[in-house]
Amino acid sequence: AQTVTQSQPEMSVQEAETVTLSCTYDTSESDYYLFWYKQPPSRQMILVIRQEAYKQQNATENRFSVNFQKAAKSFSLKISDSQLGDAAMYFCAYTGTASKLTFGTGTRLQVTL
Amino acid sequence: ETGVTQTPRHLVMGMTNKKSLKCEQHLGHNAMYWYKQSAKKPLELMFVYNFKEQTENNSVPSRFSPECPNSSHLFLHLHTLQPEDSALYLCASSQEWEMNTEAFFGQGTRLTVV
Repeated sequence: AQTVTQSQPEMSVQEAETVTLSCTYDTSESDYYLFWYKQPPSRQMILVIRQEAYKQQNATENRFSVNFQKAAKSFSLKISDSQLGDAAMYFCAYTGTASKLTFGTGTRLQVTL
Repeated sequence: ETGVTQTPRHLVMGMTNKKSLKCEQHLGHNAMYWYKQSAKKPLELMFVYNFKEQTENNSVPSRFSPECPNSSHLFLHLHTLQPEDSALYLCASSQEWEMNTEAFFGQGTRLTVV
């Protein structure tokens, strides 16, 4: 079974600074997708960024980018120029041939002035 | 607002009560999901419906009973729950039940069983 591990329960970053959230996963599949979801206090999960495992190029969405290391099974999220609105729970997720999203336990990100 | 609406937002129920959670999406999606989110635990997939047919039941106790009358609506019927069932219940939908399809989530129902 696939597992997703987020080893940082909480992180803090100052406004305008950069922060990296860690995620590792375990799978025997070669074809899969990885996601980062954001859950603000409103509780609605929102997709931040998606990475296809067959692509070597790291995905980027504006201030959000990933560092995808397939051999190491690592999928970290970098948030640049952090904003107050980035404060939320961030979940790393995996989906493979079973088409089921497997989530990590989440990292709570605080953004300070 | 991502197009997935859940009601009610909050629910407190006794262990002998019967209640239902409702999820509605008008995104034209064909797959709908129920997840359970407990504190400090990963989101747990409970049920998957694809084109109104249940395709996944992740060993969920029978006190949780899903219903999908059409592709736009999903219900979770609750009866004789236990206090450990208290959690945030999230509904999600996606275009298809495929691994590369983005899931859109509702705001969840915060359930407290007393």
